[in-house]
Amino acid sequence: DADVTQTPRNRITKTGKRIMLECSQTKGHDRMYWYRQDPGLGLRLIYYSFDVKDINKGEISDGYSVSRQAQAKFSLSLESAIPNQTALYFCATSEPGKEETQYFGPGTRLLVL
Amino acid sequence: SQKIEQNSEALNIQEGKTATLTCNYTNYSPAYLQWYRQDPGRGPVFLLLIRENEKEKRKERLKVTFDTTLKQSLFHITASQPADSATYLCARRRDSNYQLIWGAGTKLIIKP
Repeated sequence: DADVTQTPRNRITKTGKRIMLECSQTKGHDRMYWYRQDPGLGLRLIYYSFDVKDINKGEISDGYSVSRQAQAKFSLSLESAIPNQTALYFCATSEPGKEETQYFGPGTRLLVL
Repeated sequence: SQKIEQNSEALNIQEGKTATLTCNYTNYSPAYLQWYRQDPGRGPVFLLLIRENEKEKRKERLKVTFDTTLKQSLFHITASQPADSATYLCARRRDSNYQLIWGAGTKLIIKP
């Protein structure tokens, strides 16, 4: 969905490095989410934000941090990357009161060596 | 714990036939279930939502059912086409908040 963009689309990094994944949206939605997807597993929520001043941990937040710089921007950081953080990362948005429907970005494929 | 289970094996269907995918959940019935489509290298795209008090929902060639007795949702694609080939994800709302719990998805392959 072009309304939700993610950069970079692919990233290779080394163990111990700090990296940032960025998400921008033009949908005007207040709510934003970061998920990771691993083969054979469902999407797992890392962090979510209901507005600029509201940040919440998801089910697998350890090793990650986020920043909501503006309504339209939500960044995910890996402070010290490790190989088991190799995964496909998705950003998503939703409207208040309509959180049932989430709109996803194209994903970032991350490889940690 | 609340879980969503989808058949991990790929489903192969002949073009023109009806494809049926299954989503089973545990614990209390969720207020709603959702179905998304995911193509390789792309993010999931929302297809349909069915609420607990709805038995069936339709959208063009798509139909979703919700059986709270069986704790199951079925997703049907009628008159299937090769372009319907994708991975289909099921998700439910977590009981305690508005977070979604996702199944791992079922890969559907429609053969010409």
